[in-house]
Amino acid sequence: QSALTQPASVSGSPGQSITISCTGTSSDIGGNDLVSWYQQRPGEVPKLIIFQVTRRPSGVSRRFSGSKSGSTASLTISGLQFEDEADYYCNSFSGGSTLVLFGGGTRLTVL
Amino acid sequence: EVQLLESGGGLAQPGGSLRLTCTVSGFALGSYAMTWVRQAPGKGLEWVSGISADVTTTNYADSVRGRFTISRDNSKNTVSLEMNSLRVEDTAVYFCVRGRLWFDPWGQGTLVVVSS
Repeated sequence: QSALTQPASVSGSPGQSITISCTGTSSDIGGNDLVSWYQQRPGEVPKLIIFQVTRRPSGVSRRFSGSKSGSTASLTISGLQFEDEADYYCNSFSGGSTLVLFGGGTRLTVL
Repeated sequence: EVQLLESGGGLAQPGGSLRLTCTVSGFALGSYAMTWVRQAPGKGLEWVSGISADVTTTNYADSVRGRFTISRDNSKNTVSLEMNSLRVEDTAVYFCVRGRLWFDPWGQGTLVVVSS
């Protein structure tokens, strides 16, 4: 099974909104609502920011939101801040032999 | 405070073995599935293995199935990953994480280097 597909990089200016896509297949993203997103700042461990496609853990800013259409999930960050500069990873339950798939990661640069 | 602390990483030769242990505190381990996720240097995240709360179900990535074994001892608050027949491509930071399909929180990770 292949990893989920994310753009390698995205960028935006402070205050803008950006969206990161995560594309899978009908066997993973398209077949369930078990997509989650993680933020990994440089030198830090990953942090859960979205689970079950749209839900935010306690303490995560409302500027982070998730959605899904077909086999593509998306993470939107509104009101970009310099502190949002990080790598972002999606993951999804998979119906195959590998239970969970991760995306390759997207580096967000705040210009 | 919920904490996960990995140990057991280090240098191993190709074909060798290592055992990683994750010691948890601040929550009832027996109520949660647990997972190992790894990250090769400068690379992305890769799901490795998971174990159900009641120990009845284990899952493995295709890349490690047959070589790695996940286990847990709820009485000792530990989750382990026995790694055999190690390959150079197993070199990574291994994270212990709480959860089965989404992961929160993450331990600090332990570095495994497989090299001759």
